[in-house]
Amino acid sequence: QSALTQPASVSGSPGQSITISCTGTSGDVGSYQLVSWYQQHPGKAPKLIIYGDNKRPSGVASRFSGSKSGNTASLTISGLQAEDEAHYYCCSYAGSVNWLFGGGTEVTV
Amino acid sequence: QAQLEESGGGVVQPGRSLRLSCAASGFTFSDHAMHWVRQAPGKGLEWVALITYDGNNDFYADSVKGRFTISRGNSKNTLFLQMNSLRPEDTAVYYCAKDEARGAAGGAFDIWGQGTLVTVSS
Repeated sequence: QSALTQPASVSGSPGQSITISCTGTSGDVGSYQLVSWYQQHPGKAPKLIIYGDNKRPSGVASRFSGSKSGNTASLTISGLQAEDEAHYYCCSYAGSVNWLFGGGTEVTV
Repeated sequence: QAQLEESGGGVVQPGRSLRLSCAASGFTFSDHAMHWVRQAPGKGLEWVALITYDGNNDFYADSVKGRFTISRGNSKNTLFLQMNSLRPEDTAVYYCAKDEARGAAGGAFDIWGQGTLVTVSS
């Protein structure tokens, strides 16, 4: 199974909105409501920011939102802030007790 | 608050073994499935292994199947990863991660440790 496909980089100005796509297949993203998104700052551990396609853990800013259409999931950051500059990874359950990550997207503010 | 702390990383020669540990605190460890996820230097994340909340079932990525073994000690709130027949391509930061669901694995990793670096090199 191949990794999920994400753009290598996305940039935006403070206050703008950006969207990161995550494309899989009907065997992973398209089959389960189990897409999650992680934020990773340099040298730090990943942090869960979206799970179950569009659920936000407590404590995660409301400017982060998730959605999905068919085999493509998306993460939107509204009102971009300087501290949002990081790498973002999508992840999907892929059946047969296996999880696939995307290659990661570097967000520049 | 919930915390995870890995240990046991280091430099090891190809073909040798290494055992990682992950100490859990701040949550009911025995209620949750646990995972290992790794990240090669400068690369993305890769899921490695899962163990169910009760330790009765374990599952692996194809890249480590037959070489790595995940286990847990619920009485001591500790997760382990035994890595045998190590290869240079196993070089990575290894993270332990808590599954967000109680009972069955729920598909998201809500708590991560800080990671421990494993370098496989002669």
